[in-house]
Amino acid sequence: ELKVEQNPLFLSMQEGKNYTIYCNYSTTSDRLYWYRQDPGKSLESLFVLLSNGAVKQEGRLMASLDTKARLSTLHITAAVHDLSATYFCAVKIISNFGNEKLTFGTGTRLTIIP
Amino acid sequence: DSGVTQTPKHLITATGQRVTLRCSPRSGDLSVYWYQQSLDQGLQFLIQYYNGEERAKGNILERFSAQQFPDLHSELNLSSLELGDSALYFCASSAFSQASGANVLTFGAGSRLTVL
Repeated sequence: ELKVEQNPLFLSMQEGKNYTIYCNYSTTSDRLYWYRQDPGKSLESLFVLLSNGAVKQEGRLMASLDTKARLSTLHITAAVHDLSATYFCAVKIISNFGNEKLTFGTGTRLTIIP
Repeated sequence: DSGVTQTPKHLITATGQRVTLRCSPRSGDLSVYWYQQSLDQGLQFLIQYYNGEERAKGNILERFSAQQFPDLHSELNLSSLELGDSALYFCASSAFSQASGANVLTFGAGSRLTVL
C-alpha cells in the first residue's frame, strides 16, 4: 500500500526566513502534486511535477521532484504571513485498470510569525 | 469559486441517521472523486466515478455508498452514522490542464458533517 509521509507536520517560522517541507512516498510514481489548504477551506492546487528532476516555481514557493529517491520538496523563500496554511503533497498511482487514485500526505501546517 | 459545487456546506445530525451529500463537478469534467478529511485520519480517498461508472475505490465503509448520475452530479450517502464519521467531505472533479500537462483535481468547498 502506498504511503506518503511529510515532514515536518508542524512548522512555525519567522517572516523572511527560508524553509523546506519534505514529502516521501513508498511506491514508484511519476506524478506528484502539491496543494494548499487554508483553515476550514478547500484545497487549492499549487504544482504538478511530472518527471524526475522537475522543478516548478510560483512566487516564493518552489517544488522539486526526485523520483529515484521518491522525494519531493517544497521550498519557501523569504516567507510572508500570507503563506500560512497547510500544505499537502499527493502522489498519483495509475492502476492496471487505468484508474487513477491520488493519495495525500499527512500535511504540514505552516505558521508564519511576523 | 472552483466550479465544483457541494451541498450542504454544514450538516449536524445524530448517530444512527442517514445523510446525503451532493456534488456537481465543473462543467465538462466527467470524473468525480470523494475524499474524507478528519483530524485523526487526514485526507482519505473514498471513491471515484467517471461518466457514471465507478472507477476506483478507496477506504470507503460499507455504510457509505455513492453514485454518479447521467447529468454527472454525484451523491455520497452515509448511513448508520457514528460519531467517528464527523469530518469534512470533499468532492473533486478532474480535467486535463494544458498548463500543467496532467490531470489536476479541483476541489469543492466541502461539506462539514457533525454527528452528535
